[in-house]
Amino acid sequence: QQPVQSPQAVILREGEDAVINCSSSKALYSVHWYRQKHGEAPVFLMILLKGGEQKGHDKISASFNEKKQQSSLYLTASQLSYSGTYFCGTSYNQGGKLIFGQGTELSVKP
Amino acid sequence: DTEVTQTPKHLVMGMTNKKSLKCEQHMGHRAMYWYKQKAKKPPELMFVYSYEKLSINESVPSRFSPECPNSSLLNLHLHALQPEDSALYLCASSRLGLAGQPQHFGDGTRLSIL
Repeated sequence: QQPVQSPQAVILREGEDAVINCSSSKALYSVHWYRQKHGEAPVFLMILLKGGEQKGHDKISASFNEKKQQSSLYLTASQLSYSGTYFCGTSYNQGGKLIFGQGTELSVKP
Repeated sequence: DTEVTQTPKHLVMGMTNKKSLKCEQHMGHRAMYWYKQKAKKPPELMFVYSYEKLSINESVPSRFSPECPNSSLLNLHLHALQPEDSALYLCASSRLGLAGQPQHFGDGTRLSIL
């Protein structure tokens, strides 16, 4: 069952913040976040496991709300290099099979 | 540069041709994946190999035939493809294939079917 990402697209000015959400109607085991630039490979950002942990990576962090079965990706003080399409990938058991959300296209303008 | 290498980067083939896509990783990962990605869509899982054995086949048509000759190599053999099979084919690997481990993607092979 494909997770639902929101928003579908967002345009930011450099230095602004953004939040991308990933929701599931089914209980999640883990949530992966990836960024893909046009014509390039998806790049791993972080993983969150059930248990509601929050992780950080430079100015990008994420949380996992087990009650809501939702993960949120926080981008603070955005840089031009943050532009790309962000995908969440969800798994429902330890087996490792990921189902990706439809993606959020993020554009950061100078 | 990614640690998962895919060749060729681009491939154009006719519907009656036979070709193969190749994926290589030297990170010691024991799980390898094939994904298909259409423009402006997310990657869709096709196959998973775990310890060189096919563990997941997402009901992929038989014109796609995966092969894992050893723990570093993954091939995707193509035969009698249809125009709708034109897409970016991504290979990925992870350490043990568990959900708590990141997947490392290659740059993909862009396939066009004439």
